[in-house]
Amino acid sequence: AQKITQTQPGMFVQEKEAVTLDCTYDTSDQSYGLFWYKQPSSGEMIFLIYQGSYDEQNATEGRYSLNFQKARKSANLVISASQLGDSAMYFCAMSFYTGANSKLTFGKGITLSVRP
Amino acid sequence: KAGVTQTPRYLIKTRGQQVTLSCSPISGHRSVSWYQQTPGQGLQFLFEYFSETQRNKGNFPGRFSGRQFSNSRSEMNVSTLELGDSALYLCASSFNGEGYTFGSGTRLTVV
Repeated sequence: AQKITQTQPGMFVQEKEAVTLDCTYDTSDQSYGLFWYKQPSSGEMIFLIYQGSYDEQNATEGRYSLNFQKARKSANLVISASQLGDSAMYFCAMSFYTGANSKLTFGKGITLSVRP
Repeated sequence: KAGVTQTPRYLIKTRGQQVTLSCSPISGHRSVSWYQQTPGQGLQFLFEYFSETQRNKGNFPGRFSGRQFSNSRSEMNVSTLELGDSALYLCASSFNGEGYTFGSGTRLTVV
């Protein structure tokens, strides 16, 4: 079974500084995908970044980068130059690659607050 | 291109009633999955449909059901509503399982 662990209950960061949100995962599968989503108070889940288990390079998308350490089973999200609009819940999630089993397993989420 | 559309955005129902939620995926996406989000349980997978067939199902009672139409639009139905069914219901569409785009969700309140 897949499991995602996000243990930081809440994070605070000063505007324009970088912040790292932690995510560890557990799976016995070799082929999987890792995602980070942002959920503002409006409720919509906004895709941020994706890392495949066979990708050798860490994924980057603008101010977001994923620090993927496969041996340690961690997939931390790094947000550079935080903005006030980054205040939201952040979810780490994992999926299988098999065509017959397509679902996301989510962590509990982390609340990020950006201070001006 | 248009994103994932969920209707309605908000819904208030009485215990014992039934409810139907709708999700229109991104054009070309054949996979639609549904998730329930509550403060206590977090985000939980309900079911996934692909080409009108339920391909995967989460651990929810039979009161929760769904279907997918030939145009990939999906509906989920909850019968005999309970107070604990109050939640944000999110739908996600995917082309190949490597990317999931979510709708804005339907916030259901059961009173």
